[in-house]
Amino acid sequence: GQSLEQPSEVTAVEGAIVQINCTYQTSGFYGLSWYQQHDGGAPTFLSYNALDGLEETGRFSSFLSRSDSYGYLLLQELQMKDSASYFCAVRGSGGKNQLIWGAGTKLIIKP
Amino acid sequence: DTGVSQNPRHKITKRGQNVTFRCDPISEHNRLYWYRQTLGQGPEFLTYFQNEAQLEKSRLLSDRFSAERPKGSFSTLEIQRTEQGDSAMYLCASSTRPGGQETQYFGPGTRLLVL
Repeated sequence: GQSLEQPSEVTAVEGAIVQINCTYQTSGFYGLSWYQQHDGGAPTFLSYNALDGLEETGRFSSFLSRSDSYGYLLLQELQMKDSASYFCAVRGSGGKNQLIWGAGTKLIIKP
Repeated sequence: DTGVSQNPRHKITKRGQNVTFRCDPISEHNRLYWYRQTLGQGPEFLTYFQNEAQLEKSRLLSDRFSAERPKGSFSTLEIQRTEQGDSAMYLCASSTRPGGQETQYFGPGTRLLVL
């Protein structure tokens, strides 16, 4: 089967750095995506990694290690507006157009 | 606004009734997805269209669910004989770039409550 594991909740302080981890188990791999979702809102795309290494987009970076089936999302200079749920997702082997999502990590930011 | 739109935003129905949701994707996007999301979970893939062709459908999708995209533009998702377990947020997403590095743009969702 296919599965993604990520922590259910992470708490951090405004201005700090936080890392959200994701481990996955799939029979095929086409890249790891990260999405952000605010309460009551729609998911919005943050980042994508197909190859090993770090991808940086402003305050957000994403890392992938295919040999470890592991990735993480790094958020720097945390702002209160970053309080949201963060999802990792991979292409499913059941169909290359099926995006399989983790259960999400709720990020709580304290002032 | 040229984003993905969904209607209605909220739907309350009684068990056993049929419901239909509509999704209007971003106009130049030929790929359209339907997902279902329950509280505290990630979106669950339901089905995928490329233009008007329904190319993939989740094996978990009951035969009470059907989706269409007749002209390759808007799409509808129908649930027949609704059950309380169908209560969820139904999300539509569209994209244009195939393959792994694909950004899916999501609509605001339709929240369904089955009483």
